[in-house]
Amino acid sequence: GAVVSQHPSRVICKSGTSVKIECRSLDFQATTMFWYRQFPKQSLMLMATSNEGSKATYEQGVEKDKFLINHASLTLSTLTVTSAHPEDSSFYICSAIRAPANTGAFFGQGTRLTVV
Amino acid sequence: GNSVTQMEGPVTLSEEAFLTINCTYTATGYPSLFWYVQYPGEGLQLLLKATKADDKGSNKGFEATYRKETTSFHLEKGSVQVSDSAVYFCALTTSGSRLTFGEGTQLTVNP
Repeated sequence: GAVVSQHPSRVICKSGTSVKIECRSLDFQATTMFWYRQFPKQSLMLMATSNEGSKATYEQGVEKDKFLINHASLTLSTLTVTSAHPEDSSFYICSAIRAPANTGAFFGQGTRLTVV
Repeated sequence: GNSVTQMEGPVTLSEEAFLTINCTYTATGYPSLFWYVQYPGEGLQLLLKATKADDKGSNKGFEATYRKETTSFHLEKGSVQVSDSAVYFCALTTSGSRLTFGEGTQLTVNP
């Protein structure tokens, strides 16, 4: 099956610093990637849709200046949490779509972000 | 709009018991349906899928049948194992890309 690699799997950072999370599709090209946030014992909350070569589309209520998304190539999207605060601590998951699109999305392993 | 409703959890079973996790949906158009599984501390893995009515998705002993008449996609397994303990998400897409998820169902299987 398709492989999506997310890095790092865990990160601890200080308040006020920025953290970058990478999402790579290892064996296919992904024109569309998605970034989710997941709170404990809850479902996934879609943050934004990332399209290669264009600006990300953010969901309502998600601060685009705080969560910077770059989709520089067909195999890489990055999420940067800027000026992180403890309330940004969460589990962040990316996914990528491989053609044909109705085969489902493939997910990264997730990143546990802890802001101290 | 699209929505997915899953059976409320958590579900606790003994090993070798029969599993059913209910999933119903509302959708505009003709959705593709999925079950994903999430093990602790990990991302989601695609478990099975069905892209049209009456299709049956199956994988690792799990099955789900796309029932258009009841707008359902219930997940079943005849004999669960301890290693099946995880959170299961039902999901759909009508756009072919963006997924709509259910709330997830925590399954615990005891030896």
